Amino acid sequence: DAGVIQSPRHEVTEMGQEVTLRCKPISGHDYLFWYRQTMMRGLELLIYFNNNVPIDDSGMPEDRFSAKMPNASFSTLKIQPSEPRDSAVYFCASRTGEYTGELFFGEGSRLTVL
Amino acid sequence: SQQGEEDPQALSIQEGENATMNCSYKTSINNLQWYRQNSGRGLVHLILIRSNEREKHSGRLRVTLDTSKKSSSLLITASRAADTASYFCATDASGGYQKVTFGTGTKLQVIP
Repeated sequence: DAGVIQSPRHEVTEMGQEVTLRCKPISGHDYLFWYRQTMMRGLELLIYFNNNVPIDDSGMPEDRFSAKMPNASFSTLKIQPSEPRDSAVYFCASRTGEYTGELFFGEGSRLTVL
Repeated sequence: SQQGEEDPQALSIQEGENATMNCSYKTSINNLQWYRQNSGRGLVHLILIRSNEREKHSGRLRVTLDTSKKSSSLLITASRAADTASYFCATDASGGYQKVTFGTGTKLQVIP
């Protein structure tokens, strides 16, 4: 398996623009997590899914953020409209349903909002 | 939100020395995991310890868990320059929801 695949790896956009980040989890993994990493706030859990259903979105900062998982092999995180404070590295991770299952991370999408 | 806090925030040691990082967390857990992150990369899993375990070893890694104090430590023995990275603890909250949250991380520098 190729691992968790995220795209784009880098995105530079202007304030007010819509941003869509994409994630393909490892096949067979039941859980998918979206995290945001910044120097100030560290690694924050935004939302996670189980079998394509959102379980907890309490970490989503504002209504400007939305996430979907239309099928087991694809998820998106959308920011509309984007703001400079959204600049961060966004990570997607997946795991099996076992409690002893480790998280497998993608390489991240580095977002810069000007 | 973050479940755990780690200390120290940064650690610099000489190659060959041991490195110890500590993690404290707030709520009941099913397990605790440690991850490593090289600069500009995603996190990589190192080791997992279950809530009913007190110590676990994997190669040069030793993890301890004290659920009464809600704390864990990661020891890397005989460190190498290649161990230079950030290290994070992650807790898998109990309650059946598999919510995994991360600590603030320790930045380790191993000087050759």
